[in-house]
Amino acid sequence: DVKVTQSSRYLVKRTGEKVFLECVQDMDHENMFWYRQDPGLGLRLIYFSYDVKMKEKGDIPEGYSVSREKKERFSLILESASTNQTSMYLCASSLVNWRNTEAFFGQGTRLTVV
Amino acid sequence: GNSVTQMEGPVTLSEEAFLTINCTYTATGYPSLFWYVQYPGEGLQLLLKATKADDKGSNKGFEATYRKETTSFHLEKGSVQVSDSAVYFCALRVQGAQKLVFGQGTRLTINP
Repeated sequence: DVKVTQSSRYLVKRTGEKVFLECVQDMDHENMFWYRQDPGLGLRLIYFSYDVKMKEKGDIPEGYSVSREKKERFSLILESASTNQTSMYLCASSLVNWRNTEAFFGQGTRLTVV
Repeated sequence: GNSVTQMEGPVTLSEEAFLTINCTYTATGYPSLFWYVQYPGEGLQLLLKATKADDKGSNKGFEATYRKETTSFHLEKGSVQVSDSAVYFCALRVQGAQKLVFGQGTRLTINP
């Protein structure tokens, strides 16, 4: 069974803390993504990576960075957490072949910044 | 740019009612189209997909047809169940691009 696993379901952090969200996939997918989900806004892409050590900004990269040192792992970093980063964060992975393949999602991490 | 527009929710229906959730898109070229479902407290799961015009995706009693002429991919189910209560997302992926573009999601509640 294919799997994308996010390290935490729930996190509570303080304003100004450095926060790491971890994601691991076991499908040997080239692409990995971090989305943010907010009510009424759907899913917005923060960053994605199409290969080890490669990354591209998505629609809302400000305040975030990412790291991909190994193919199976993709980390989202909040350098200095702020209350407006309270949200649900979803990691996904997919093959590069765009036509016939979908993205697979993790269970999500609900982050609260206080 | 590429975008997806879904009908606004929330949508509330009674069990065994007919469901339609509208989805239209704007995209360069010929995208692949997807419907994802998110059950409470969970991540997204693929519900169905279609990769070219006139394709029909189907799964768990849900169907959607890729309509190039109307740039639409409406989700339908003939008889909904309480267990269908979830948030539904329409999405597209354009040729040569790696990322999915999502609509805003439609929350569906089915009452017994």
